[in-house]
Amino acid sequence: QQPVQSPQAVILREGEDAVINCSSSKALYSVHWYRQKHGEAPVFLMILLKGGEQKGHEKISASFNEKKQQSSLYLTASQLSYSGTYFCGTAGSGNTGKLIFGQGTTLQVKP
Amino acid sequence: DTEVTQTPKHLVMGMTNKKSLKCEQHMGHRAMYWYKQKAKKPPELMFVYSYEKLSINESVPSRFSPECPNSSLLNLHLHALQPEDSALYLCASSQGGGGVQETQYFGPGTRLLVL
Repeated sequence: QQPVQSPQAVILREGEDAVINCSSSKALYSVHWYRQKHGEAPVFLMILLKGGEQKGHEKISASFNEKKQQSSLYLTASQLSYSGTYFCGTAGSGNTGKLIFGQGTTLQVKP
Repeated sequence: DTEVTQTPKHLVMGMTNKKSLKCEQHMGHRAMYWYKQKAKKPPELMFVYSYEKLSINESVPSRFSPECPNSSLLNLHLHALQPEDSALYLCASSQGGGGVQETQYFGPGTRLLVL
């Protein structure tokens, strides 16, 4: 079951904040966040495991609420380099390595 | 070093051709993955190799044939493809045997065009 991301697209000015949400109809064990720029490979941002852990580095952080089967990615004081498409990849229990990616959220940061 | 390399970067092939995509990693990772990504869509899992054995095949047509000759190398053999198979093919690897708690690192991809 593909997770649902919202919003589908967002346009920001440099320095503004954004939140990208990822919801699943199935129980989740882990949520993986990636950013992909046009014509490039997805770049790993962070992984959140079952336990409601919040992670972050620099101005990008994320939370995971396994009861609600949701994760959110927080981008603060956005920079031009944050532009791209953000994907969440979700995995249920089991040791299969199978990630199902959401449809993506396109983020554009303008000067 | 979290580098996954893929060759070629671009490939154009006819529907009767046979070609192969190659993926390599030297991080000691024991799980390797093939994904297919169409334009403006998310990556879709095709195959997972865990400790050099095929562990997941997402009902991929037989015209795609994966091969894992050793722990560092992953190939995708292509034969009799259709134009709708044109896409970006991404390889990824993760440290362990492919558990859902492992980070997957992606290569730059091979952009395939089938004429």
